[in-house]
Amino acid sequence: DTAVSQTPKYLVTQMGNDKSIKCEQNLGHDTMYWYKQDSKKFLKIMFSYNNKELIINETVPNRFSPKSPDKAHLNLHINSLELGDSAVYFCASSQANYGYTFGSGTRLTVV
Amino acid sequence: KQEVTQIPAALSVPEGENLVLNCSFTDSAIYNLQWFRQDPGKGLTSLLLIQSSQREQTSGRLNASLDKSSGRSTLYIAASQPGDSATYLCAVKGGGADGLTFGKGTHLIIQP
Repeated sequence: DTAVSQTPKYLVTQMGNDKSIKCEQNLGHDTMYWYKQDSKKFLKIMFSYNNKELIINETVPNRFSPKSPDKAHLNLHINSLELGDSAVYFCASSQANYGYTFGSGTRLTVV
Repeated sequence: KQEVTQIPAALSVPEGENLVLNCSFTDSAIYNLQWFRQDPGKGLTSLLLIQSSQREQTSGRLNASLDKSSGRSTLYIAASQPGDSATYLCAVKGGGADGLTFGKGTHLIIQP
């Protein structure tokens, strides 16, 4: 199936830990993104990567770092997790001016 | 900075009704506008994509219109069904490498 897949689907961890979320797309899209959906369900962009170059970083704490080993992957690393990082994180991809395809989300709970 | 507003925030209607969801955006310099559906605890499903040069797009019982100059889009759902219950999100893509800017969504409930 052509899609954007992200793992894990659920992630429960303690404050202070470091964790990663993986994302892969097999759509051949040029740009990949990470979005955060907060407790009020509002979606906001965190990062985008085009041809392995970071394009957008929307006032995200530097504890969050995207890493793209190749065009089809964009992983999200989070250091020193805080309670406020609890949210649903969505990976997405797009090609030029065409629509976006989103992954199914990773629900991160920091306890 | 682009801002997207969706009205109403929530809507509950009986099955079979036709309904309209509204989306407005502050910066008309967009490349396209996309409507998504999100079911509880799930990801986003793309419903319709309208390029800036287009006026509307249709898919089954869904019709989305775009008035770029006035910064408005509507999503029309015909003959609503309980399975249409979900949160509907409007998002616009700006120029260059900008990502999508989302509205806060319309939470729709279709009563059987």
